Amino acid sequence: DVKVTQSSRYLVKRTGEKVFLECVQDMDHENMFWYRQDPGLGLRLIYFSYDVKMKEKGDIPEGYSVSREKKERFSLILESASTNQTSMYLCASSKKGYEQYFGPGTRLTVT
Amino acid sequence: QKEVEQNSGPLSVPEGAIASLNCTYSDRGSQSFFWYRQYSGKSPELIMFIYSNGDKEDGRFTAQLNKASQYVSLLIRDSQPSDSATYLCAAGSSNTGNQFYFGTGTSLTVIP
Repeated sequence: DVKVTQSSRYLVKRTGEKVFLECVQDMDHENMFWYRQDPGLGLRLIYFSYDVKMKEKGDIPEGYSVSREKKERFSLILESASTNQTSMYLCASSKKGYEQYFGPGTRLTVT
Repeated sequence: QKEVEQNSGPLSVPEGAIASLNCTYSDRGSQSFFWYRQYSGKSPELIMFIYSNGDKEDGRFTAQLNKASQYVSLLIRDSQPSDSATYLCAAGSSNTGNQFYFGTGTSLTVIP
């Protein structure tokens, strides 16, 4: 079975803090993705990576950065957390051209 | 802007009925289509994918694809209360590289 894990299920941070969200997959997938999901807005792609050290901006990259130093691990960084970044963050992975598998999600609250 | 559109619902069906969920997409280059189920507070779970025109059946689920009409649907037969969830449609194509485009989801409630 494909397994995608995320470092935290729930996270509470203060405005201005630097936040790291980690995602690990165990299926040797080339592609990894970070989404945020908000009520009424659906899934919005923040960044994705198709190979180690490679990244592409998604629809809403502002305020975020990513790092992929190893194939199995993809990190999302909020450089200076703001209240409008309170959301559910979902990581996914896939082989190129195939279905995406999601991690359990991290519900981030920024106060 | 490549778009995938779904009726947000909510869609309510009685237990045992057929639930029909619909999705349209704007990118004619889309080649692969996926249905995900998402329970409240949980992450999306893949339930079906379809690449070719026509129907694809898996248990109580049938995915239907009509590329000429740019239309994808999911039928759930003998609906159960446990099918109550939000269903997300997604489309991918070689033009988008590795990205999928997701609809905003249709909320389904199966009434016992």
